[in-house]
Amino acid sequence: AQRVTQPEKLLSVFKGAPVELKCNYSYSGSPELFWYVQYSRQRLQLLLRHISRESIKGFTADLNKGETSFHLKKPFAQEEDSAMYYCALRSTSGSRLTFGEGTQLTVNP
Amino acid sequence: SAVISQKPSRDICQRGTSLTIQCQVDSQVTMMFWYRQQPGQSLTLIATANQGSEATYESGFVIDKFPISRPNLTFSTLTVSNMSPEDSSIYLCSVRVLAGNEQFFGPGTRLTVL
Repeated sequence: AQRVTQPEKLLSVFKGAPVELKCNYSYSGSPELFWYVQYSRQRLQLLLRHISRESIKGFTADLNKGETSFHLKKPFAQEEDSAMYYCALRSTSGSRLTFGEGTQLTVNP
Repeated sequence: SAVISQKPSRDICQRGTSLTIQCQVDSQVTMMFWYRQQPGQSLTLIATANQGSEATYESGFVIDKFPISRPNLTFSTLTVSNMSPEDSSIYLCSVRVLAGNEQFFGPGTRLTVL
């Protein structure tokens, strides 16, 4: 069974501080991992995916298969980063996207 | 990418009635999904809408309660039947595109059942 865990429902940091949103998963095969973001009053949108290995809006995430984690990081948080962040998993052979509970990030001025 | 629209954007309904939500995509997509997001909770997959055949439902969801249609590659409907207050939720249409294998989400339909 696929499972995604985001241990922090709420995370608050100050502008310019580093931020890390944690994501752990359980899956027996080879997963695809994603981070989705939902800004206030906007629809859910893809932020990044592990196979792209790119940085979007200063965010990066590395898949650690040993620790079954896919934490989202940004060295210097900005106020506009305040949003709800969801970690999601999909099997490489499947279609089903499983979401974590989400972390509400607030970046204070 | 894919642009997804949903109708209605929100509705308030009486217990025992049914509501049909429409999802329209601006391009042909490989897969269409329906999700539910209950207040304060994450997204839960209801079913995969299959073109020209019965939808594939996830555990805990049944066709009698959530009938789904997908007559073509760009349109799908989800009906919430015989509603109760527990069905109050945001219902999201999602599509998967062939190019890039990405999944996009619609704006959602906020349903309140009194």
